[in-house]
Amino acid sequence: AAGVIQSPRHLIKEKRETATLKCYPIPRHDTVYWYQQGPGQDPQFLISFYEKMQSDKGSIPDRFSAQQFSDYHSELNMSSLELGDSALYFCASSPRTSGFTGELFFGEGSRLTVL
Amino acid sequence: AQKVTQAQTEISVVEKEDVTLDCVYETRDTTYYLFWYKQPPSGELVFLIRRNSFDEQNEISGRYSWNFQKSTSSFNFTITASQVVDSAVYFCALSGRNYGGSQGNLIFGKGTKLSVKP
Repeated sequence: AAGVIQSPRHLIKEKRETATLKCYPIPRHDTVYWYQQGPGQDPQFLISFYEKMQSDKGSIPDRFSAQQFSDYHSELNMSSLELGDSALYFCASSPRTSGFTGELFFGEGSRLTVL
Repeated sequence: AQKVTQAQTEISVVEKEDVTLDCVYETRDTTYYLFWYKQPPSGELVFLIRRNSFDEQNEISGRYSWNFQKSTSSFNFTITASQVVDSAVYFCALSGRNYGGSQGNLIFGKGTKLSVKP
């Protein structure tokens, strides 16, 4: 079965650079969530999109932005990178035809290292 | 506010021992979901179980079992006859409305690192 696809899986950037992470949800899933997991930390919710509109916003820094495209894939853009942005970034998707039903699928994560 | 507490930061057991990972949650929602995820050293989040708030039946899947008790707001996870491959960080999570209403915004506990020694 198709899963959530994230790319790239690993990314190394320098401070003050920009990075873009991509997420391709499971087919027919219209809701995408982004999470950030720092070293030794629990995943923290950043932002979510439903039908290409931002639905909820969590602890996402102002330097970060995200969007969901017409094919439902999503991109997380991170600018002016700081050392503290080094983390695992997870994307998850769910169907939301009649509200949240507990079906939530995570990708394998993108590991960002800022030097 | 919604919260998940995993009081055990690290647990170390010897292979074949049984081990229980504790999870206590707080929520004002009447409908919510609870999850357990396993995160091995490779980093991916492996889904183990999902429970909705109306289903208090305990569940067993092979060596894994879960005990959900609404009266104590707990959702504990037991591994029977642990194996070295069970070594990982285990996260308990709650579907939350902290950020606006979508319950897919999970609130994770801090995780419990389980080490199973041969």
